[in-house]
Amino acid sequence: GAGVSQSPSNKVTEKGKDVELRCDPISGHTALYWYRQSLGQGLEFLIYFQGNSAPDKSGLPSDRFSAERTGGSVSTLTIQRTQQEDSAVYLCASSFGTGRDGYTFGSGTRLTVV
Amino acid sequence: AQSVTQPDIHITVSEGASLELRCNYSYGATPYLFWYVQSPGQGLQLLLKYFSGDTLVQGIKGFEAEFKRSQSSFNLRKPSVHWSDAAEYFCAVVSGNTPLVFGKGTRLSVIA
Repeated sequence: GAGVSQSPSNKVTEKGKDVELRCDPISGHTALYWYRQSLGQGLEFLIYFQGNSAPDKSGLPSDRFSAERTGGSVSTLTIQRTQQEDSAVYLCASSFGTGRDGYTFGSGTRLTVV
Repeated sequence: AQSVTQPDIHITVSEGASLELRCNYSYGATPYLFWYVQSPGQGLQLLLKYFSGDTLVQGIKGFEAEFKRSQSSFNLRKPSVHWSDAAEYFCAVVSGNTPLVFGKGTRLSVIA
């Protein structure tokens, strides 16, 4: 597609429920990244997919968080048993190669856990 | 570990005034440096990037940044700010195959 597409744009969920956030990267981009942006904070790296390599999961804050990337394209970030501290904007980005030309970001999914 | 520091959380400037946003990085290898802008409710847009060569780089929307190795800095500048420049600005660094590391951002307000 023309840009990185994320859905939904907003999600309100009850504490304890599971949520799935979707990212559709730019066609042909080999790398896909998930970041979390909390109020007053910068961007916190979560997970990184590069081609067919095993993902870099070093930024996932707990085992309630997981992500997959199917067919080297669309990615889904899943948060199980959501907590209020999970409320944030979740941003997805994609890039060619290692991203040294910069990343293209989606508009994000604003997650609110009530 | 690599890190990026943006010392100013919030800056207010008058429309038409000049702007400088500070960024310092801590990195062992030669870094690739970026500035991104985020308007309210939007994703991040790349303003400019530095890899090597000329240490003064030009970006979109009239922004420029200067890489100073001796000071580990990559400050963003604009000679004359417009009201539409009000946004959050993020400095970021990448080296090797690691993901981008971002600073905490500087919020820019523009007053008449």
